[in-house]
Amino acid sequence: AQTVTQSQPEMSVQEAETVTLSCTYDTSESNYYLFWYKQPPSRQMILVIRQEAYKQQNATENRFSVNFQKAAKSFSLKISDSQLGDTAMYFCAFRGGYGGATNKLIFGTGTLLAVQP
Amino acid sequence: NAGVMQNPRHLVRRRGQEARLRCSPMKGHSHVYWYRQLPEEGLKFMVYLQKENIIDESGMPKERFSAEFPKEGPSILRIQQVVRGDSAAYFCASSPPPRLAGMAGELFFGEGSRLTVL
Repeated sequence: AQTVTQSQPEMSVQEAETVTLSCTYDTSESNYYLFWYKQPPSRQMILVIRQEAYKQQNATENRFSVNFQKAAKSFSLKISDSQLGDTAMYFCAFRGGYGGATNKLIFGTGTLLAVQP
Repeated sequence: NAGVMQNPRHLVRRRGQEARLRCSPMKGHSHVYWYRQLPEEGLKFMVYLQKENIIDESGMPKERFSAEFPKEGPSILRIQQVVRGDSAAYFCASSPPPRLAGMAGELFFGEGSRLTVL
């Protein structure tokens, strides 16, 4: 069974600084998809960034980028120029390849990020 | 295009009562997922449905919990004879069929229903 591990329950960063959130996963599949979701105090789940395992290039979305290491099964999220609005719980998630596992997302336990002014 | 709608947003039940949570997916989405989030924990998968069909219920407790997604109307997550341990936030998400969105397609989440069992 697939598992997703986030080993940092909480992190703190100063405004405008850069922070990296860690995520590792375990799977026997070769094709799969990885996501980072953000859950602010409003509790709405918001997609931050996604990565397809067959793509070697790391995904980037404005201030958010990932470091995807397929061999190490590692998928970290880097937030540059942190803003107060980035304060939230961040969840790493895994989704198996089509035709294998069902379409469900498997989430890690989350990292609570606090951006300090 | 309205997002995923969940209601009620907050529900209070006494032990032994029934709780019904509703989820209307985004327009054009035929796949619905239910997740449970206990306090200070991540989201745990419960069940995945498409219209009139349960695809994967591997995360559903064996007793008291059921889900449906009828041809017409919202998806319903039903919890019978609630206990205090059922207190949690229940999130619904939807997506178009994988063949249309591809597996990289995101799940769109509702704002959740918070169940409190007294």
